[in-house]
Amino acid sequence: AQTVTQSQPEMSVQEAETVTLSCTYDTSESDYYLFWYKQPPSRQMILVIRQEAYKQQNATENRFSVNFQKAAKSFSLKISDSQLGDAAMYFCAYRSRAQKLVFGQGTRLTINP
Amino acid sequence: GAGVSQTPSNKVTEKGKYVELRCDPISGHTALYWYRQSLGQGPEFLIYFQGTGAADDSGLPNDRFFAVRPEGSVSTLKIQRTERGDSAVYLCASSPGIVEQFFGPGTRLTVL
Repeated sequence: AQTVTQSQPEMSVQEAETVTLSCTYDTSESDYYLFWYKQPPSRQMILVIRQEAYKQQNATENRFSVNFQKAAKSFSLKISDSQLGDAAMYFCAYRSRAQKLVFGQGTRLTINP
Repeated sequence: GAGVSQTPSNKVTEKGKYVELRCDPISGHTALYWYRQSLGQGPEFLIYFQGTGAADDSGLPNDRFFAVRPEGSVSTLKIQRTERGDSAVYLCASSPGIVEQFFGPGTRLTVL
């Protein structure tokens, strides 16, 4: 079975600075997708960024980018120019051909003004 | 456009009671998922529907949990003889059949 591990329960960063959230996963599959979701106190999971395993190029969405290391099974999220609205729980997730998402335990991100 | 909606937003019930949680997916989305999120944890998969049928129910914890999607749109998660350990946020997501899953705001279930 696939597993996803987020080793940082909490992170904090100064507004306008850069922060990196870590994620590792375990799988024997070669074809899969990886995601970062943001969950604010409203509970709604919001997709931040996704990465297809077959793509070597790291995904980027505005201030959000990933460092995908397939051999190391690592998928970190970098947030540049952090904003107060970025404060939330961040979840790393894995999706295989089985369709369901497997989530990590989450990292609580605090932005200090 | 309308997103995934879930009702009720919050549900408080007593141990042993029966509850139903409803999910209205985005119109036209063929796939629907239920997840359970315990306090301080990431969501855990419960069941996945493709159309009207349950394609994968491997995440349902026991036979007290059951879900239906009779017309391939709205889904109901049913929990019989609720226990305090069932307290959690129940999240629903829908997908047009490609990659992304779009989540609803969840139902917070509290079993007293």
